[in-house]
Amino acid sequence: QKEVEQNSGPLSVPEGAIASLNCTYSDRGSQSFFWYRQYSGKSPELIMFIYSNGDKEDGRFTAQLNKASQYVSLLIRDSQPSDSATYLCAVRAGNQFYFGTGTSLTVIP
Amino acid sequence: ETGVTQSPTHLIKTRGQQVTLRCSSQSGHNTVSWYQQALGQGPQFIFQYYREEENGRGNFPPRFSGLQFPNYSSELNVNALELDDSALYLCATPQGGELFFGEGSRLTVL
Repeated sequence: QKEVEQNSGPLSVPEGAIASLNCTYSDRGSQSFFWYRQYSGKSPELIMFIYSNGDKEDGRFTAQLNKASQYVSLLIRDSQPSDSATYLCAVRAGNQFYFGTGTSLTVIP
Repeated sequence: ETGVTQSPTHLIKTRGQQVTLRCSSQSGHNTVSWYQQALGQGPQFIFQYYREEENGRGNFPPRFSGLQFPNYSSELNVNALELDDSALYLCATPQGGELFFGEGSRLTVL
């Protein structure tokens, strides 16, 4: 059973702060790692992916991967109210994607 | 814009009925996956089609079935609907190793 675990939250941060979202996975054979943002009533939207150990930055978003610890994180700098959403962590093993239950983030103006 | 379109966006059925959900993708997307997302949960893999053949299936009963057509459109069929089938059904295509979703079809079973 391939599992992806996330703290469901809710996580609240003030506007302008750094939001830190965490995810662990069980399958060491997982090849790729993804973060999706899902607004209420909408479908998930891919915002970041990372394949190698270390950090990957894209604008205000930084994904961090530690394969030895089976740990993926997403940092959102200068958080904005529009970042308020559920963030889903996903891993790919073979041709299947496995998702966590998501972390609800609220950015308080 | 993911190039994945789903219909209908919302529908209501009663227990025991059958439902067909549809998905179309831009030409060249010869692989399509279907996911079920229950309220408060992450998407769960139902099955995947590649060039009209099922080539992967998650832990869903046989009453969940699908088709993929030569024009790359796809259908998800669910027979004998149960209350727990109420969910957002997502069609997705892998593009360059990443997975992109359509807008989803929200099914409510009463």
